[in-house]
Amino acid sequence: GQQVMQIPQYQHVQEGEDFTTYCNSSTTLSNIQWYKQRPGGHPVFLIQLVKSGEVKKQKRLTFQFGEAKKNSSLHITATQTTDVGTYFCAGQIGANNLFFGTGTRLTVIP
Amino acid sequence: GAGVSQSPSNKVTEKGKDVELRCDPISGHTALYWYRQRLGQGLEFLIYFQGNSAPDKSGLPSDRFSAERTGESVSTLTIQRTQQEDSAVYLCASSLVLSWNEQYFGPGTRLTVT
Repeated sequence: GQQVMQIPQYQHVQEGEDFTTYCNSSTTLSNIQWYKQRPGGHPVFLIQLVKSGEVKKQKRLTFQFGEAKKNSSLHITATQTTDVGTYFCAGQIGANNLFFGTGTRLTVIP
Repeated sequence: GAGVSQSPSNKVTEKGKDVELRCDPISGHTALYWYRQRLGQGLEFLIYFQGNSAPDKSGLPSDRFSAERTGESVSTLTIQRTQQEDSAVYLCASSLVLSWNEQYFGPGTRLTVT
C-alpha cells in the first residue's frame, strides 16, 4: 500500500492566495524531501528536512517537519503564476527506502 | 556533464517488443535511481544503484524489468515483452555519494506501448 500519503490531490487558487500541501506517513521517517515538477518537466529537488519539528524557509515557501517525524507540510505564501506545478513529498523510511507521495497539482489563476 | 541525461526522449514500441532505456548520471554521482511515472500520477521507485554494491531491485514490478549499471556511470533499464501498462515516463536520478540524498532528475523517457 501507499507508504506516504499526500493531500490534496489538486488545488486551484487565485494568484495572491496562500497554498498548503500535506504529507503523512504511518511510519516514522528518517527525513523528508520536497520536489517541484513543472508541467511537462521533471522533478526538481527543493529541500530536505531531517530534524524533528524542523522548519525551513525559501522565500515564500515554508517547509515543516512534524515533531513525530511522520508528517510534513509545504506552505506557499501569496502564490504567483510561476508556482504552478505538482509538488511531491518523498519520505525516507529506514536507510534505503524512499517513498514519493502522489503529489499535489497546483493551479494558480491570474 | 551539466546534468542527468536520458535517451531516447520518446519511444513508441509495439506490445511484446523489448526496449532499452539509457541514463547518464552526473559525473561523480555514485547513486543512481530509476522511477516510473504514469500519466497524472506520482513517482514509483523501480531500482537503485549505490557504488559497486548490489542494486536494490525491490521496486521492479515484474521479472520483465531489469537494469544494469557500468561502474559508476551509465545505466540501462530494459523492459522485455512490453505491455500497454508499461506506458509511462521513466525517470532516472542521481545523487552524490550518500544514498537517498538530494536527487537530480533527468528529463525522462516517455514510453508508449501500442
